Amino acid sequence: DTGVSQDPRHKITKRGQNVTFRCDPISEHNRLYWYRQTLGQGPEFLTYFQNEAQLEKSRLLSDRFSAERPKGSFSTLEIQRTEQGDSAMYLCASSSGGQSDTQYFGPGTRLTVL
Amino acid sequence: AQSVTQLGSHVSVSEGALVLLRCNYSSSVPPYLFWYVQYPNQGLQLLLKYTTGATLVKGINGFEAEFKKSETSFHLTKPSAHMSDAAEYFCAVSPTTGGFKTIFGAGTRLFVKA
Repeated sequence: DTGVSQDPRHKITKRGQNVTFRCDPISEHNRLYWYRQTLGQGPEFLTYFQNEAQLEKSRLLSDRFSAERPKGSFSTLEIQRTEQGDSAMYLCASSSGGQSDTQYFGPGTRLTVL
Repeated sequence: AQSVTQLGSHVSVSEGALVLLRCNYSSSVPPYLFWYVQYPNQGLQLLLKYTTGATLVKGINGFEAEFKKSETSFHLTKPSAHMSDAAEYFCAVSPTTGGFKTIFGAGTRLFVKA
């Protein structure tokens, strides 16, 4: 069990560029979550997957955001045409299943949009 | 819709003093309740959770929390603060049925004075 990993840890981009983040969950975890955290706030739910199926999306996830988990293992979060308001920490978490299962968080990817 | 309110964005205690971090939730039915801790430059880590049964829940590092349905509260306590407890603490809720969307509070930063 190597924990949840995220890549890259930091990303600086110019407004209007596209960025993609990767999350590798704990192996055998079938549920994967994405959150966004801005300074002074708690994580805000973006979306989650049960295996490869995306089951719920927040209204925060505009049409510029897309997430995939093609084989039910790693996941990617893409932001198109980035805006300065997208600057935040993007967190990934995974869990093994069950209604009250514990989520294990990765270290996050910090995005700065100039 | 569920929501979480953490009273006090910053709490400062002396080493050895009682730690009390407050959390109130709003939900049409009692949800599952969680406390997470976030140390600088680290991912969120589960401290404890309430699902069913005993309303006093014990977690790691000497922390505990009590679910009070009548007060819709889930306050976190520790009898004696240690310098290593300095971190940000997040209260969170998730539904008992119909999805796995977790809602986090804004967080409380705990400072421990020597």
